[in-house]
Amino acid sequence: NAGVMQNPRHLVRRRGQEARLRCSPMKGHSHVYWYRQLPEEGLKFMVYLQKENIIDESGMPKERFSAEFPKEGPSILRIQQVVRGDSAAYFCASSPSGQGSNQPQHFGDGTRLSIL
Amino acid sequence: QKEVEQNSGPLSVPEGAIASLNCTYSDRGSQSFFWYRQYSGKSPELIMSIYSNGDKEDGRFTAQLNKASQYVSLLIRDSQPSDSATYLCAVKPGTSYGKLTFGQGTILTVHP
Repeated sequence: NAGVMQNPRHLVRRRGQEARLRCSPMKGHSHVYWYRQLPEEGLKFMVYLQKENIIDESGMPKERFSAEFPKEGPSILRIQQVVRGDSAAYFCASSPSGQGSNQPQHFGDGTRLSIL
Repeated sequence: QKEVEQNSGPLSVPEGAIASLNCTYSDRGSQSFFWYRQYSGKSPELIMSIYSNGDKEDGRFTAQLNKASQYVSLLIRDSQPSDSATYLCAVKPGTSYGKLTFGQGTILTVHP
């Protein structure tokens, strides 16, 4: 599968636990973006990363949320001490390098996070 | 004023008709515009991208961009029931490194 791969597809956590969401971009893509979609709301940008660099984290909550895209391996979105309000669908998208910032972004299937 | 605005609908059209979806945006410096389709419980799927004023056609889909009016639209010709979905307008603001700003989406229903 050459598409954007996210795992897990569904994640259930209790309040106070940590959630780790993974994203492998499409082959040949070096730009990764994370978006959150709350129930009945639109997609909201969280963070834009390239390998080993955070380019734009203007949409990330200041506390409990972090993201990385290491030299090797998938991008990780980490949520510490989860709360009920973190329940949402988290989508990862990727785009090619080069004129990457204007290239279309292709989305993975998302991780549905549920907080008990 | 929202950065990207869409009529939430629902928009209902009969099978075979033209569906017209509209979107306005607030940032005059925006350069890149995209339409995504999202089925319920699924991920957004890219349909069209448009960067220059005018029309861009791909199969049954036509995207139209008017930067002076800050308006972008999507026409779906010969609408099919399988086109029933939420259509998301996405804009890359001029000051953005790569972030897309999405509208709330328009729910389209194509009835047989």
